[in-house]
Amino acid sequence: AQSVTQLGSHVSVSEGALVLLRCNYSSSVPPYLFWYVQYPNQGLQLLLKYTTGATLVKGINGFEAEFKKSETSFHLTKPSAHMSDAAEYFCALREGGGNKLTFGTGTQLKVEL
Amino acid sequence: DAGVTQSPTHLIKTRGQQVTLRCSPKSGHDTVSWYQQALGQGPQFIFQYYEEEERQRGNFPDRFSGHQFPNYSSELNVNALLLGDSALYLCASSPRTASGNTIYFGEGSWLTVV
Repeated sequence: AQSVTQLGSHVSVSEGALVLLRCNYSSSVPPYLFWYVQYPNQGLQLLLKYTTGATLVKGINGFEAEFKKSETSFHLTKPSAHMSDAAEYFCALREGGGNKLTFGTGTQLKVEL
Repeated sequence: DAGVTQSPTHLIKTRGQQVTLRCSPKSGHDTVSWYQQALGQGPQFIFQYYEEEERQRGNFPDRFSGHQFPNYSSELNVNALLLGDSALYLCASSPRTASGNTIYFGEGSWLTVV
């Protein structure tokens, strides 16, 4: 069965510092991978997705992620954190068709002055 | 273009009662799924509908049921509510035609069971 592991339930960075949120996955077939962001009391907003092709994926708000099959990873990065990036981030995996996403447990990002 | 819309946004129910949550998918989307997000956890897949039938189901009891209407909108019904059903319920939609399509989420319905 597929699974997603997010290392670090809470990550704290200084404003302007590098953001690195880790995601590892397990899947029996080539997966589609997604990062979603959730602001307090809101739904999920897609940051970026990997389906096929280029392994470095660029998303909204300056985020990007690299699909590394050999490491079964899909870590999310942003060169310079902004206060508005404070939110919860979810990595998700999709196998095949349909709308079934398997989510990780989330990483709460805190950005400090 | 309206995105995925859900109603109600918040509701409080008593243990043992029944609840119905509603979802309108994004324009052009024919596939709807529901997720439960308990506090501090990631969303968990409940089930998916297209062509008015349940196509895939997660690990949820039969107390959770759904329906999809000809206009692609959907309802989630939960019977015999338990305290543990308190959660954010998210509706998601996408077109069924390609696996790489983005899945869009609504703002969710907050259910509190007391």
